[in-house]
Amino acid sequence: SQQGEEDPQALSIQEGENATMNCSYKTSINNLQWYRQNSGRGLVHLILIRSNEREKHSGRLRVTLDTSKKSSSLLITASRAADTASYFCADNAGGTSYGKLTFGQGTILTVHP
Amino acid sequence: NAGVTQTPKFRVLKTGQSMTLLCAQDMNHEYMYWYRQDPGMGLRLIHYSVGEGTTAKGEVPDGYNVSRLKKQNFLLGLESAAPSQTSVYFCASSPHRSITGDEQYFGPGTRLTVT
Repeated sequence: SQQGEEDPQALSIQEGENATMNCSYKTSINNLQWYRQNSGRGLVHLILIRSNEREKHSGRLRVTLDTSKKSSSLLITASRAADTASYFCADNAGGTSYGKLTFGQGTILTVHP
Repeated sequence: NAGVTQTPKFRVLKTGQSMTLLCAQDMNHEYMYWYRQDPGMGLRLIHYSVGEGTTAKGEVPDGYNVSRLKKQNFLLGLESAAPSQTSVYFCASSPHRSITGDEQYFGPGTRLTVT
């Protein structure tokens, strides 16, 4: 398995603070994706960054990708209590992967009002 | 659009029983996937399909079978359930827009307990 790793496993912050989560993967990729999962629910896609991109923004989300270090980070700015969830990175391996994703173990984010 | 739906939402099985989980998507997506999620382990791919009538093994396929007779449906079967198959099962679908991969859309999950 080429399952990546996420860091930290859990993060607790106050509303208004920024949250940064990191992800590492093991082999070459087509793209890397971030998903959010609220407790007891399915995963929701947040952002996809392709291997030839270095940074991508979506609203309060900023994702970076460093293919030389095989790592990515997700920054959530000005966090809100509603951002409380688990966040997963998932890599789409290079070559003919048929869109298959390998998920990390996730970061549990708690944002206190 | 309903997106990706899964049936049932919860199920309790006894060891040795069989069951089928149904996944349906109304987005005309080519690719569909079945994952299982266990505490502390993220999601692991069980089987996937790249089109109607095709299926392939993922990372953890043992003990499961799948079928995709119609483009919109992807069925996951457990022929003889074991306690190790207690998990939350997620179905996902993805369009085939880019050769470098696209985002996946997930269903709400099925919580299965095998006693």
